[in-house]
Amino acid sequence: QQQVKQSPQSLIVQKGGISIINCAYENTAFDYFPWYQQFPGKGPALLIAIRPDVSEKKEGRFTISFNKSAKQFSLHIMDSQPGDSATYFCAASKNTGNQFYFGTGTSLTVIP
Amino acid sequence: GAVVSQHPSWVICKSGTSVKIECRSLDFQATTMFWYRQFPKQSLMLMATSNEGSKATYEQGVEKDKFLINHASLTLSTLTVTSAHPEDSSFYICSARPGTREAFFGQGTRLTVV
Repeated sequence: QQQVKQSPQSLIVQKGGISIINCAYENTAFDYFPWYQQFPGKGPALLIAIRPDVSEKKEGRFTISFNKSAKQFSLHIMDSQPGDSATYFCAASKNTGNQFYFGTGTSLTVIP
Repeated sequence: GAVVSQHPSWVICKSGTSVKIECRSLDFQATTMFWYRQFPKQSLMLMATSNEGSKATYEQGVEKDKFLINHASLTLSTLTVTSAHPEDSSFYICSARPGTREAFFGQGTRLTVV
């Protein structure tokens, strides 16, 4: 059973545009929601993360929006650049546990 | 930030042989490390949780005897793929999480069994 559902599977965005990736979860015990960026042949790298006590977190061009009641969170990449082309994974975990549950991934392509 | 180092980055082995992959936390102690497997264009699937000084906890469907995990110290966990076969070819990634902070991932190991 997929604990975290992610969409879309792939995304093509024009340079300078906004990339939006969505995730949804069921387990209300989750209280830590990170986004990871992965380039081919590399391990995932943390991009930005949020806890459910805030509805939005922004770091540079990356913003997480969190809707606790809907059990959804999304990643917004503003002014998308070709260098942002990568696979993005959302994840969720319980603070008291250590295991991460990953979404299925979104392949982002930013075209010049 | 914390660093997790994985070695080797890639390995090619013959069918029937065993391969060991190392995962080290370089600047923090990790009582727990995680091993994931990733197929091309797919998500990370947790294989097992490695616990320092005790037996690993394997996810359902993961063969304990094929994927041997040893976590002998607070900074090192190893995954040994025994009697490897072509279907074991994959990208293996370890991670560790200092306390309740974000998880840090190794750079991954590309295993090709020929």
